[in-house]
Amino acid sequence: EVQLLESGGGLVQPGGSLRLSCAASGFTFSTYAMTWVRQAPGKGLVWVSGITGTGFSTYYADSVKGRFTISRDNSKSTLFLQMNSLRADDTAVYYCAKGLRGLLDPWGQGNLVTVSS
Amino acid sequence: QSVLTQPPSASGTPGQRVTISCSGSSSNIGINTVNWYQQLPGTAPKLLIFTNNQRPSGVPDRFSGSKSGTSASLAISGLQSEDEADYYCAAWDDSLNGLVFGGGTKLTVL
Repeated sequence: EVQLLESGGGLVQPGGSLRLSCAASGFTFSTYAMTWVRQAPGKGLVWVSGITGTGFSTYYADSVKGRFTISRDNSKSTLFLQMNSLRADDTAVYYCAKGLRGLLDPWGQGNLVTVSS
Repeated sequence: QSVLTQPPSASGTPGQRVTISCSGSSSNIGINTVNWYQQLPGTAPKLLIFTNNQRPSGVPDRFSGSKSGTSASLAISGLQSEDEADYYCAAWDDSLNGLVFGGGTKLTVL
């Protein structure tokens, strides 16, 4: 069974940093692109970033470009999202998902990131 | 403001057929496939329709998708109370070089 388990969320002050992790199991991680999507409280889904299976190519939404970095460790089947210079409007549940160009399946359970002083 | 446009709400009574539209442009739906996601209250989104009109295993055939030009739609027939959820369309955008979502449609089963 394919499973994605996120961790690393929590409360952080504006301007601070946080690293999210997404541990994958049940599939050959290195052969699949991966994606991060976020959802602010009471709002819709917003794509954040994606990475190819090799990690060679990465993609970012304009709202996070230059502040967030997506990466992966294929030896540990783990996806990461390093978030720097966090702002209040980064507050959201962050989901990792298997896939890249729109076909995202499955999704992790979500991890809440709260940016507040 | 979402790149893909969906109605914010839809409703129907049990057994009815409802459709949810998703409007895009030539840089997203016009040249890429559309996928639909269902998000039940308090849960993570789940893939409902992929590649415009394909259902993953386990998704009832009451759910169907279609695409024409720069628009797509999701149809749910034989509406059931457990279909009450938020529905999102998504497509890759070649101009933005990123994935774009619709704003979501909240489906209420009356």
